[in-house]
Amino acid sequence: QVTLKESGPVLVKPTETLTLTCTVSGFSLSNARMGVSWIRQPPGKALEWLAHIFSNDEKSYSTSLKSRLTISKDTSKSQVVLTMTNMDPVDTATYYCARLTTVVSWLGWFDPWGQGTLVTVSS
Amino acid sequence: SSELTQDPAVSVALGQTVRITCQGDSLRSYYASWYQQKPGQAPVLVIYGKNNRPSGIPDRFSGSSSGNTASLTITGAQAEDEADYYCNSRDSSGNPHWVFGGGTKLTVL
Repeated sequence: QVTLKESGPVLVKPTETLTLTCTVSGFSLSNARMGVSWIRQPPGKALEWLAHIFSNDEKSYSTSLKSRLTISKDTSKSQVVLTMTNMDPVDTATYYCARLTTVVSWLGWFDPWGQGTLVTVSS
Repeated sequence: SSELTQDPAVSVALGQTVRITCQGDSLRSYYASWYQQKPGQAPVLVIYGKNNRPSGIPDRFSGSSSGNTASLTITGAQAEDEADYYCNSRDSSGNPHWVFGGGTKLTVL
C-alpha cells in the first residue's frame, strides 16, 4: 500500500522559513516513473502546484514561487523536504504531498495524496 | 505558463448525468487528470489519461477530451458524488510544471 504523510509546524511567524517533510512508503523515490510534488490549498480556494522532484533528483518549481522554494529528497529515508522562505499570512494553506506517476511526458497523474497539513502564518 | 478554466459550480439531479469541463491550451498537448475532493479530505484521483479509472473508482465516472477541452462525466450521479472536482495537466510551457483548474463544486439535488 502506497502512502504519503506530511509533517511540519502548524504555525509559523511572518518572515520565517517553513520546512515540511513528506514521508512515503510503499514505493521507492528512486523509481524512474515516479516523483513527488508539493501542492497547497488556501482555505476555501483551489489547489496550487508548488514543486516537484524526479527520481533522478531533477527539480521543478512554480514560476511564481521559485525564488522562495527548495525541494530535496533523501531516498534512504523515503523523505521529500520542501522549504519555503519568507512566509506571509497569504501562505496560510493546507500543504499536500502527492506521488506523480509519469508514463510518458504527456501522461501523468497525482496518486495518492497525503492527508495534508494545515500551516497557519501569523504573528 | 498555462491556465485551466472550470465552471465554479454545477448541479445535477440525483441519478442524472452531468459533465464537468476544463479548458486550457495545455490540454491540446497533455492529458488531463481529474480529482474529487470532499470537505476536509485530501483530493482523490478519479480519472487519468484518455479515460482511465483507478481501482475503486465507480464506472459511472468517465473522461474525454477534444481540442483544448477535457471533460469529466458522471453518469447516474449519486449523493456521495457531491464534492469539488479539479482538473490538472502538465503546463504547456515546455517546462515540467503542472497546473490545476480552479475547481467545480458539484451539487447533487
